[in-house]
Amino acid sequence: EDQVTQSPEALRLQEGESSSLNCSYTVSGLRGLFWYRQDPGKGPEFLFTLYSAGEEKEKERLKATLTKKESFLHITAPKPEDSATYLCAVYGGNEKLTFGTGTRLTIIP
Amino acid sequence: GAVVSQHPSRVICKSGTSVKIECRSLDFQATTMFWYRQFPKQSLMLMATSNEGSKATYEQGVEKDKFLINHASLTLSTLTVTSAHPEDSSFYICSAWTAGGELFFGEGSRLTVL
Repeated sequence: EDQVTQSPEALRLQEGESSSLNCSYTVSGLRGLFWYRQDPGKGPEFLFTLYSAGEEKEKERLKATLTKKESFLHITAPKPEDSATYLCAVYGGNEKLTFGTGTRLTIIP
Repeated sequence: GAVVSQHPSRVICKSGTSVKIECRSLDFQATTMFWYRQFPKQSLMLMATSNEGSKATYEQGVEKDKFLINHASLTLSTLTVTSAHPEDSSFYICSAWTAGGELFFGEGSRLTVL
């Protein structure tokens, strides 16, 4: 059974304080690892898909990286509008998307 | 980017009534759509996979007679919660794959059953 564990569960940062969110996974036949941002009361917003170890993708202040066991979402010089829950999910050989429980990120002005 | 739209975003109904939620892919065709349920401060749980022109595939523990799914066209899937009860109150979200392999989600529908 595919499993996704995200840490930390919650993270509070000062504006401008860079940090990383972790997503550890076990999956049978990884077809893709997804990162999403979810604001309260909204559906997840697509950020990145990573397909193989060593791959990196960037979007504004966010950078996602992937190894064979985990993925990191690095946030550089965050702003208050980056506050949200960040979800990681894996898509494996069972053709199902398995989500982690997310990291609630709060950026303090 | 691709857009998936859900309607209604919020619905309140009385216990025993049925509620229909629509999920549309606005700028792409989706042969497969997915329905998720999310409880407060928990992650998304897959309920069922909706297949255009055929029966939906339900996850273990999901009552197919309570959660009716219809995927009548390449851009529309509907979830009907039949004879809703307070325990069915939740946030329901649909999603769909694009041809480019990205999975986009709708804005979600908050169901409250009184």
